[in-house]
Amino acid sequence: NAGVTQTPKFRILKIGQSMTLQCAQDMNHNYMYWYRQDPGMGLKLIYYSVGAGITDKGEVPNGYNVSRSTTEDFPLRLELAAPSQTSVYFCATGGGSEQFFGPGTRLTVL
Amino acid sequence: RKEVEQDPGPFNVPEGATVAFNCTYSNSASQSFFWYRQDCRKEPKLLMSVYSSGNEDGRFTAQLNRASQYISLLIRDSKLSDSATYLCVSYNYQLIWGAGTKLIIKP
Repeated sequence: NAGVTQTPKFRILKIGQSMTLQCAQDMNHNYMYWYRQDPGMGLKLIYYSVGAGITDKGEVPNGYNVSRSTTEDFPLRLELAAPSQTSVYFCATGGGSEQFFGPGTRLTVL
Repeated sequence: RKEVEQDPGPFNVPEGATVAFNCTYSNSASQSFFWYRQDCRKEPKLLMSVYSSGNEDGRFTAQLNRASQYISLLIRDSKLSDSATYLCVSYNYQLIWGAGTKLIIKP
């Protein structure tokens, strides 16, 4: 079992470009999450989903969109990338307590 | 005030020493608490849950004081492999993450 996978591992974007960060899980969990982690900071929740077809905003949703058409996949879309979105993005799955994370996507916006 | 606050660190300690991490949380409605470990440039992984009665897992002991809204993690006989960032986390329908305390164990 792969657990939680994320692609790409690294990406450099120019200001104003768009991209989709992919996340997939084979753990059959209903809950999935997207976090960002800035240097020296804790994780901030961007969006989460409690099941296919259901998504909700977290603490820092502005500039992002998500969809959840299947239990397995939870892509994160960045529209009009800005330097403030330079961060490490982690996808996670799990219930209310333990969460299992993907390896992260390091995004730089220049 | 941040919802979950931790010592900023880093902590530089010699191998074999005992290390204590402190954490406070502001939301008294928080239901559960956890310590996660994050290695450099890696994803966080659950280290242990924290219970009011205190709990131990090998060299690691976690304590929760709800009256003081305080959580601690003690590492005894520290190893080089314990070097990582330790994240204090509270749960109230969502996980709220502290910024983490970096631990560096020196030989």
